[in-house]
Amino acid sequence: AQTVTQSQPEMSVQEAETVTLSCTYDTSESNYYLFWYKQPPSRQMILVIRQEAYKQQNATENRFSVNFQKAAKSFSLKISDSQLGDTAMYFCAFPSGSRLTFGEGTQLTVNP
Amino acid sequence: ETGVTQSPTHLIKTRGQQVTLRCSSQSGHNTVSWYQQALGQGPQFIFQYYREEENGRGNFPPRFSGLQFPNYSSELNVNALELDDSALYLCASSIPYRGQNTEAFFGQGTRLTVV
Repeated sequence: AQTVTQSQPEMSVQEAETVTLSCTYDTSESNYYLFWYKQPPSRQMILVIRQEAYKQQNATENRFSVNFQKAAKSFSLKISDSQLGDTAMYFCAFPSGSRLTFGEGTQLTVNP
Repeated sequence: ETGVTQSPTHLIKTRGQQVTLRCSSQSGHNTVSWYQQALGQGPQFIFQYYREEENGRGNFPPRFSGLQFPNYSSELNVNALELDDSALYLCASSIPYRGQNTEAFFGQGTRLTVV
């Protein structure tokens, strides 16, 4: 069974600084996607960024980028120029067939 | 905001009762998945419906059941409610690509409290 591990339950960062959230996963598949989702207090899960495992280039979406290390099964999220609106729960997720397996989440707080 | 809508947003039920939660998928999405998210935890997969058929199920008892309708909207039914069923229930719609979820769009969830 696939597992996803986020080892940082809580993190905080000052506004405008950079923060990195960690995620490791376990799978025997060779071709797959990985996702980072953000869940603000409004509860709606919002896709932040997606990485395709066969692509060597790390995905980037504006201030969000990933460091994808396939051999190490590591998929970290870097948020640059942190903003107050980035305060949320962040989940790493791994799709397998019909389901998404989520990590336990990291609560990120951006301080003014 | 995504095009996935869930109703109701909040619900309080008594232990032993039955509940039905509803989800309208994003336009064009033929697959709907349901997740249970306990407080402070990541979502757990309940089941998925693809073209009105169950297409995968997580580790949940049979009293959790579902339906998908021809317009791809879906219902989650829970019988004989238990206190541990108190959680946020999330619906997600998607279009699988080669059997994989390439992107899932989530609704705002239904907060169920069982007393």
